Amino acid sequence: AQSVAQPEDQVNVAEGNPLTVKCTYSVSGNPYLFWYVQYPNRGLQFLLKYITGDNLVKGSYGFEAEFNKSQTSFHLKKPSALVSDSALYFCAVRDRNDYKLSFGAGTTVTVRA
Amino acid sequence: KAGVTQTPRYLIKTRGQQVTLSCSPISGHRSVSWYQQTPGQGLQFLFEYFSETQRNKGNFPGRFSGRQFSNSRSEMNVSTLELGDSALYLCASSRPTGDTGELFFGEGSRLTVL
Repeated sequence: AQSVAQPEDQVNVAEGNPLTVKCTYSVSGNPYLFWYVQYPNRGLQFLLKYITGDNLVKGSYGFEAEFNKSQTSFHLKKPSALVSDSALYFCAVRDRNDYKLSFGAGTTVTVRA
Repeated sequence: KAGVTQTPRYLIKTRGQQVTLSCSPISGHRSVSWYQQTPGQGLQFLFEYFSETQRNKGNFPGRFSGRQFSNSRSEMNVSTLELGDSALYLCASSRPTGDTGELFFGEGSRLTVL
């Protein structure tokens, strides 16, 4: 079985400050890890993924995430948040031998001007 | 390149009715997945199709069914609708080979059951 935990329902930051959204995962084999963002009344947009290799992955809109195997974490980060980053963020995991993604509950990010 | 297209975007049904939702994947994508999103349960996997075959199924009752056509378009059907079926239904497609699991989502079909 695979699962994802996003321990924070909400994250509030000021514009220009660093943004971190936390994610931990559980999977039996080697994981594929993903971050998606959802704006109101829209579908999910892909941000970045970890498949293998460098533990620091860079994605769209200046976001990056660090894979930590020992802590089974995959935290999303952005050095300088923008008001337009305000949205709902989902972490997801997939076992390499499976075809379904398991999503976390989501974290609502609010960036204040 | 067109994205994943879902129709209809919004629909209202009453309890006991049935509904069919449609999904057209990105051109060349042969895998289509369906997810249900609700405020209480979050995003839950319904099923995944590849080359007209269901490869994986989530923990939903038999009222939820799907299929995929030879052109990779997919439909899902919910019969005997219940109030709890009110949700945003999301379809996603992915590349066929060397698949690392990255999904491309449509805008969703928002179903309201009265």
